[in-house]
Amino acid sequence: EVQLLESGGGLVQPGGSLRLSCAASGYPFSFSAMSWVRQAPGKGLEWVSTISGSGATKYYADSVRGRFTISRDDSKNTLYLQMNSLRADDTAVYYCAQLLLNPSSNFDYWGQGVLVTVSS
Amino acid sequence: EIVLTQSPGTLSLSPGERATLSCRASQSVSNSYLAWYQQKPGQPPRLLIYGTANRATGIPDRFSGSGSGTDFTLTISRLEPEDFAIYYCQRYGFSPFFGPGTKVDIK
Repeated sequence: EVQLLESGGGLVQPGGSLRLSCAASGYPFSFSAMSWVRQAPGKGLEWVSTISGSGATKYYADSVRGRFTISRDDSKNTLYLQMNSLRADDTAVYYCAQLLLNPSSNFDYWGQGVLVTVSS
Repeated sequence: EIVLTQSPGTLSLSPGERATLSCRASQSVSNSYLAWYQQKPGQPPRLLIYGTANRATGIPDRFSGSGSGTDFTLTISRLEPEDFAIYYCQRYGFSPFFGPGTKVDIK
């Protein structure tokens, strides 16, 4: 059974930084592309970033490019999202998702999500 | 940038009824890269349909997807109590986009 567990969320001031983690189990992590998707309170889903299985290729939404960095540590089966220069509109539940085929495929599995609140 | 429009915004139906949800894209969706997800309150999304018409593992056959080009449909043949939720379509790819969702609630 695939399990994805996010951590690292919390309250941060505008302009601050936060690093999210996603621990994966149940499927060969290094074979999977991984993504982050966020959902602002009461709103729909917004894709944030994707990293290939090798880690060599990364994709970002325009709204976060230059501020967020996706990375992975296959030795720890863990995905990361480094978020810098945070803004109030980054407030959301952040989900990690596993893509079993390739970085352009659908999101097969999702974690439970972690809340990030950007506020002074 | 592709825009996905879902209709209706809310669908009020009774258990046992048929639900038909629409997803329209502003440009043609190549390679049938269209998926549907179900989300219940306080839960993450769950993959229902990928590649326009393929059910994900463990999804009951009352869920079906169809369409091509710019027009896609998710059909739930007979609503069960656990099907009342929000449904999102997604054009996946290297820059994926989601539709705004259709809420299916109990009439």
